[in-house]
Amino acid sequence: DQQVKQNSPSLSVQEGRISILNCDYTNSMFDYFLWYKKYPAEGPTFLISISSIKDKNEDGRFTVFLNKSAKHLSLHIVPSQPGDSAVYFCAASVDNYGQNFVFGPGTRLSVLP
Amino acid sequence: DAGVTQSPTHLIKTRGQHVTLRCSPISGHKSVSWYQQVLGQGPQFIFQYYEKEERGRGNFPDRFSARQFPNYSSELNVNALLLGDSALYLCASSLGPRRGNSPLHFGNGTRLTVT
Repeated sequence: DQQVKQNSPSLSVQEGRISILNCDYTNSMFDYFLWYKKYPAEGPTFLISISSIKDKNEDGRFTVFLNKSAKHLSLHIVPSQPGDSAVYFCAASVDNYGQNFVFGPGTRLSVLP
Repeated sequence: DAGVTQSPTHLIKTRGQHVTLRCSPISGHKSVSWYQQVLGQGPQFIFQYYEKEERGRGNFPDRFSARQFPNYSSELNVNALLLGDSALYLCASSLGPRRGNSPLHFGNGTRLTVT
């Protein structure tokens, strides 16, 4: 049973527009969330995180929104660039003392020039 | 600075064999975690080690084991390989053991194929 879901396997966006990647979770004990980006033949790269005490966190072009009541988070990329084309993973954690993260299956983002 | 390095990059084994995967963390990082990524899925947590001690273990059978050495490098061992063990094995390092210490820095992985 998937505890972290990314229901869109793929997403295509025009360069310069906003990309919105969604993630839903079922475990209400999750209190820390992250987004990772993965290019082919490379390991995932950390993008941004958010704690459950916040509902928004920004870092440059990347903003993560958390809706705890809906058990939903989203990653906004503005403006989207062709170099953003990658697979994006949402991950969640309950363990403040470790790094046992539960990852979603990923969404492949294609930014078209 | 060198990132997380994993060896080998690719490996083909036969069912029933044993495999050892190796990982060198980023210099100064003392925590190493291992994840398995099956095709079409996200990475799944296997182990975390910090200061040579196991800090966490995911839902994997006892055929999977790991250890961390005094120089903080790590090995993942898998015994009695099954076809279902075919996956990309990712190693990640961080400064400390807690999720807030620093984000995980992943290596490029070892692609294991079991035939």
